[in-house]
Amino acid sequence: DAGITQSPRHKVTETGTPVTLRCHQTENHRYMYWYRQDPGHGLRLIHYSYGVKDTDKGEVSDGYSVSRSKTEDFLLTLESATSSQTSVYFCAIRSPASGGEETQYFGPGTRLLVL
Amino acid sequence: GDSVTQMEGPVTLSEEAFLTINCTYTATGYPSLFWYVQYPGEGLQLLLKATKADDKGSNKGFEATYRKETTSFHLEKGSVQVSDSAVYFCALSAGNNRKLIWGLGTSLAVNP
Repeated sequence: DAGITQSPRHKVTETGTPVTLRCHQTENHRYMYWYRQDPGHGLRLIHYSYGVKDTDKGEVSDGYSVSRSKTEDFLLTLESATSSQTSVYFCAIRSPASGGEETQYFGPGTRLLVL
Repeated sequence: GDSVTQMEGPVTLSEEAFLTINCTYTATGYPSLFWYVQYPGEGLQLLLKATKADDKGSNKGFEATYRKETTSFHLEKGSVQVSDSAVYFCALSAGNNRKLIWGLGTSLAVNP
């Protein structure tokens, strides 16, 4: 158990409304990630963070912003939700592991439906 | 750029059958390779990994060997169970920031 929680777990919202998803970790890891998972696309990286206030874009960052004001929390915001952002969102942390290779561990996911 | 290609699913097997899910990759440098599993309605769990050529990762009866000569990391299990029904993702980690590059996933259904 990597100590990652996501909230909310399910969300239904309307087009044009702002939405914020929260990822919380209990183990002080430096790297955190936001992915979206869609049928036929696998997992795609939205944004990631390598420290407090240090973030960078992934491959599908348009329409999303992130913030990391504390090590333990990484927030993903949809400024104005669109139906194309209906997806399952996963947060991940990167943790040292045996064998010397840091490994990503995932939260339980947030199902977002934009009507 | 770096990429991962997995065999398309769905794969349907009977219990106790042999499983192979193919994964090949393209990468510069020396990537680490991973298999993740996603059970229905759940998040992704690390199943196994290998960090250098000829390494064999193993867990829960699953194995995969890092083959640099064929750029492959095929997942195998000698005798599948109904509880192995899930989606399996192959991924590689490369580059200075060690971002994960993902395959599209292979759905496995095991029938009793």
